[in-house]
Amino acid sequence: DAGVTQSPTHLIKTRGQQVTLRCSPKSGHDTVSWYQQALGQGPQFIFQYYEEEERQRGNFPDRFSGHQFPNYSSELNVNALLLGDSALYLCASSRWSSTQYFGPGTRLLVL
Amino acid sequence: GEDVEQSLFLSVREGDSSVINCTYTDSSSTYLYWYKQEPGAGLQLLTYIFSNMDMKQDQRLTVLLNKKDKHLSLRIADTQTGDSAIYFCAEKEGQTGANNLFFGTGTRLTVIP
Repeated sequence: DAGVTQSPTHLIKTRGQQVTLRCSPKSGHDTVSWYQQALGQGPQFIFQYYEEEERQRGNFPDRFSGHQFPNYSSELNVNALLLGDSALYLCASSRWSSTQYFGPGTRLLVL
Repeated sequence: GEDVEQSLFLSVREGDSSVINCTYTDSSSTYLYWYKQEPGAGLQLLTYIFSNMDMKQDQRLTVLLNKKDKHLSLRIADTQTGDSAIYFCAEKEGQTGANNLFFGTGTRLTVIP
C-alpha cells in the first residue's frame, strides 16, 4: 500500500515565478492538507481540501492556492514567488478528520 | 491562537531513556500527536493520544498527558542511535469541524553511542 507521495522532490525557482506542487494521498484517504515548513521551524498549516473544496485555511496570502481532483489528489500553487517562500512543503492525507499521514515533502528554493 | 512549545535540544546516551516535553495552549484540543522527522525527510507519525486519556504506551514509547497543565511528554525507553531525529508535538485544533494541526518548533534528539 503506497503512502502519501509528492512531486517533485526538489525545485528551484526565481522570484516572481509561479510553482505547482503535487500530492497523491494514501489509499482510502479523501482529505489532503498542505503545510509549509521553513528551515528550523515546525510545519505551518496552509489549507485543507475535502470533496474538491477548500475547507480550512491557515494564515497564508491568496498567492497560495490549491485544487483537489476527483481522485483525491491535490495541487498547491504559489504565485509571485518571494525569497521567503523557500521551504519544505508537506502534504498530509487523512480520512476527513482522522489522523494525518505525511508525505516526504517538496523542497522549494526561491532565488 | 494556539501555541505549542518544546525545548530545542536533548542529548542522551544510547540505552538510556529520553523524555521530550511539550506544552500547548488550546484546552479544547481533541488529539495530541508526536511525529518524528529525520534529516531531509517528511514527518513520520509515532503515536497520538486522545485528550480524555492520561497515558498511552506503545512498545518503547510512552505518552503522558496532563490536561490540567496542558503538558504532554514522550518517553522513549532504551534509546538507540536510530532514534536521533527531530521530534514534533502537534495538537489538533479543538474548534468544531477543524482538522488542522498546530506544531511546536521541534526537539532535536541526539543519541550518543
